[in-house]
Amino acid sequence: QVQLQQSGPGLVKPSQTLSLTCAISGDSVSSNSAAWNWIRQSPSRGLEWLGRTYYRSKWYNDYGVSVKSRITINPDTSKNQFSLQLNSVTLEDTAVYYCARGKVGVRREFDYWGQGTLVTVSS
Amino acid sequence: DIVMTQSPDSLAVSLGERATINCKSSQSILYSSNNENFLAWYQQKPGQPPKLLIYWASTRESGVPDRFSGSGSGTDFTLTISSLQAEDVAVYHCQQYYSPPYTFGQGTKLEIK
Repeated sequence: QVQLQQSGPGLVKPSQTLSLTCAISGDSVSSNSAAWNWIRQSPSRGLEWLGRTYYRSKWYNDYGVSVKSRITINPDTSKNQFSLQLNSVTLEDTAVYYCARGKVGVRREFDYWGQGTLVTVSS
Repeated sequence: DIVMTQSPDSLAVSLGERATINCKSSQSILYSSNNENFLAWYQQKPGQPPKLLIYWASTRESGVPDRFSGSGSGTDFTLTISSLQAEDVAVYHCQQYYSPPYTFGQGTKLEIK
């Protein structure tokens, strides 16, 4: 059974960096059949896919257009986890952030999700 | 980006009756290599992450009750709950995973009438 456990601060000041981590159990961040995603949800934007990292002989990343200039998703193979960094946050980045497992190939839906972290951007 | 549009935004159905939610994509999400539509449906209850119900537009995830069914192809899709139960009260989201950025519909809130 795959489990994803999120951690990180729930309050970030404007212009600073949002950092979250997603610890994986029951699968590997280096799996050749999985991709590791960050998704956020807010009342104004609904569910918004932010990006993913995955391993296919080397590491790849894809990022959403709205955050592409500010986002980094990194794997940590030593701890079997992956992280989200979002720079220069504004009030509009206030949301519940989720990590989720997807697959690569002909099945790419998100079958396992973290518990969610409410991140509030406020001074 | 592929835009996903759900209808209606909210829906109230009596217990035991049928509930139907629609989802439209701005371009075809039919994947030619396996002839499957790259569309998923999720159920989200308050305070919880979304739960995968259906993938490939019509394949139920393991453990999902058979009162949930998905249909459609190309750009038009439907989630049907054949006989609404009290525990089905939730927000339902469609999502395309045909090409990044993966996008979601705005969600449909399902309530009991």
